Amino acid sequence: GAVVSQHPSRVICKSGTSVKIECRSLDFQATTMFWYRQFPKQSLMLMATSNEGSKATYEQGVEKDKFLINHASLTLSTLTVTSAHPEDSSFYICSATSPQTTDTQYFGPGTRLTVL
Amino acid sequence: KQEVTQIPAALSVPEGENLVLNCSFTDSAIYNLQWFRQDPGKGLTSLLLIQSSQREQTSGRLNASLDKSSGRSTLYIAASQPGDSATYLCAVIPSGGSNYKLTFGKGTLLTVNP
Repeated sequence: GAVVSQHPSRVICKSGTSVKIECRSLDFQATTMFWYRQFPKQSLMLMATSNEGSKATYEQGVEKDKFLINHASLTLSTLTVTSAHPEDSSFYICSATSPQTTDTQYFGPGTRLTVL
Repeated sequence: KQEVTQIPAALSVPEGENLVLNCSFTDSAIYNLQWFRQDPGKGLTSLLLIQSSQREQTSGRLNASLDKSSGRSTLYIAASQPGDSATYLCAVIPSGGSNYKLTFGKGTLLTVNP
């Protein structure tokens, strides 16, 4: 149980385009989802917290207009990187919690974004 | 602001050795502490979760301890195997929060040589 999937697993795009990454909880309803970014040999940095049906809360320094987060259902959250640039290339990981286990985050497999 | 530090950054050991990974955090007001494993280019696998009221947790060859007052945790791996090679991440959730946000260390890259 408690499986989280991400799609796509890797994506390569041209500079200036927008990329959407999906995060799905497969067998539970995720009231809260988290989006992280991880640069090579660095820690996971929390970008934003999204609660179903409400606006995401962004961490300091994360541009909300560049990283659009939508949590429209209890099983799906999306992260859209708008007008991507090479410096946005990174590993993006989502996690989700359920109402029954709010202190336990279940992580997705991650999405490798490369912006040319 | 909570900061999590992991030492060493990298560790290489021969197969069969017992080893210890260290994690320290600056703010002792934590809700829980977790150890994760991350394989290259992959997501995170939760290994052990220690609640703030607990001192240790065990799972198979893994044992994690927590000394909240000193802001330290250790992950002990017994009889290491090549399959244990991965990056091990330590993360804490602060107490008093409502969203249970994790703060991660940079990890320890473990290589177990056959």
